Amino acid sequence: AQSVTQPDIHITVSEGASLELRCNYSYGATPYLFWYVQSPGQGLQLLLKYFSGDTLVQGIKGFEAEFKRSQSSFNLRKPSVHWSDAAEYFCAVGANTNAGKSTFGDGTTLTVKP
Amino acid sequence: DAGVTQSPTHLIKTRGQQVTLRCSPKSGHDTVSWYQQALGQGPQFIFQYYEEEERQRGNFPDRFSGHQFPNYSSELNVNALLLGDSALYLCASRLLAGGSGELFFGEGSRLTVL
Repeated sequence: AQSVTQPDIHITVSEGASLELRCNYSYGATPYLFWYVQSPGQGLQLLLKYFSGDTLVQGIKGFEAEFKRSQSSFNLRKPSVHWSDAAEYFCAVGANTNAGKSTFGDGTTLTVKP
Repeated sequence: DAGVTQSPTHLIKTRGQQVTLRCSPKSGHDTVSWYQQALGQGPQFIFQYYEEEERQRGNFPDRFSGHQFPNYSSELNVNALLLGDSALYLCASRLLAGGSGELFFGEGSRLTVL
């Protein structure tokens, strides 16, 4: 069975500081990995995805993530956080042919201090 | 280009009642997935519809049922509501063949069961 663990429930960073959100997954085959962001009262927006190829993927809003198969991790990073990045972030794993059925972690809430 | 739209945005029901939630997929998309997001948790996959048939189902009881119409829109029905059904219900759409695999989410329908 596939699963996703986001070890950090809540992270606080200062504006302008760097950010790393952790994600560990369990999946029997080559996973399709996603990071989504959810602002209060909103649906989820895709930040980036990994299907294959280069293990460092670039996304929207200046985010990037690195796939490390040996560590079963897909951590999200941003070099300089903006106040507007405050939101909840979800990591998800899905199958190639069935990305409609994705398994999500429980999310990490990001607070940005001025 | 309209994104995924869901209705109603909020609703309150009492235990034992039935509810129907509606979803219109993003233009050009043919596959609809439904997710339940309880407070403080990540979304959980309920089921996915393609070509008017349920193709995959998550670990949800038969009280949860759905339908997809020829225009690709979809409904989620929940019978005999329980307090634990209180959640944000998210609809997501994608193009099954030839698409990027990306899920596009609506803003959700927030159901409160009293």
